[in-house]
Amino acid sequence: QVHLVESGGGVVQPGMSLRLSCTASGFTFNNYAFHWVRQAPGKGLEWVADISFDGLLKYYAKSVKGRFTISRDNSENTVYLQLSSLTADDTAIYYCARDESAAADYYSMDVWGKGTTVIVSS
Amino acid sequence: DIQMTQSPSSVSASVGDKVTITCRASQDIKTWLAWYQQKPGKAPKPLIYVASNLRSGVPSRFSGSGSGTDFTLTISSLQPEDFATYYCQQSTSFPPTFGQGTKVEIK
Repeated sequence: QVHLVESGGGVVQPGMSLRLSCTASGFTFNNYAFHWVRQAPGKGLEWVADISFDGLLKYYAKSVKGRFTISRDNSENTVYLQLSSLTADDTAIYYCARDESAAADYYSMDVWGKGTTVIVSS
Repeated sequence: DIQMTQSPSSVSASVGDKVTITCRASQDIKTWLAWYQQKPGKAPKPLIYVASNLRSGVPSRFSGSGSGTDFTLTISSLQPEDFATYYCQQSTSFPPTFGQGTKVEIK
């Protein structure tokens, strides 16, 4: 079965950092691009970042560019999202989603994980 | 960025009703539109891609249509498990953007 499992969320103070992980199983990981999408409490979905199959292409939303870094380890079937300089506006559930394609500019998300919660609070 | 606007924001309906949700893009996105269903406390579930193609396992009572800037998601006969929030998303232009969601509630 195709699965994505996110981890690494938690409660952090403003200005601090956190690294989220998304571990995949049930398919050939390095054939696909991946996305991170977040959802603030009671709000809609916001695309955050994505990475191509080989890790060479990475794109970010304006709201996180320069603060968040997406990466992947194809030997570990894992995608990461490094969050830094966190603010209260980054409080959200962070979902990992697989793209249907290997490219980082197709934006068609066909498999989603259950999400991991990040709370930024002093 | 392409703005995606859904209407209505919420709709009350009964089991067996036909429900139609509209999504409008701020510019031409051809048919590069997806629909997702999200239930409380759960991750979004992909329903439709490229405007009208059902994902595997999605019941045939769901259908999507449209092209250019105007799209619809139709549930032909609402079932109890369909009460949820529905989001559209454009996939033609960076950054990918979502509509604000339409909540389908029990009447």
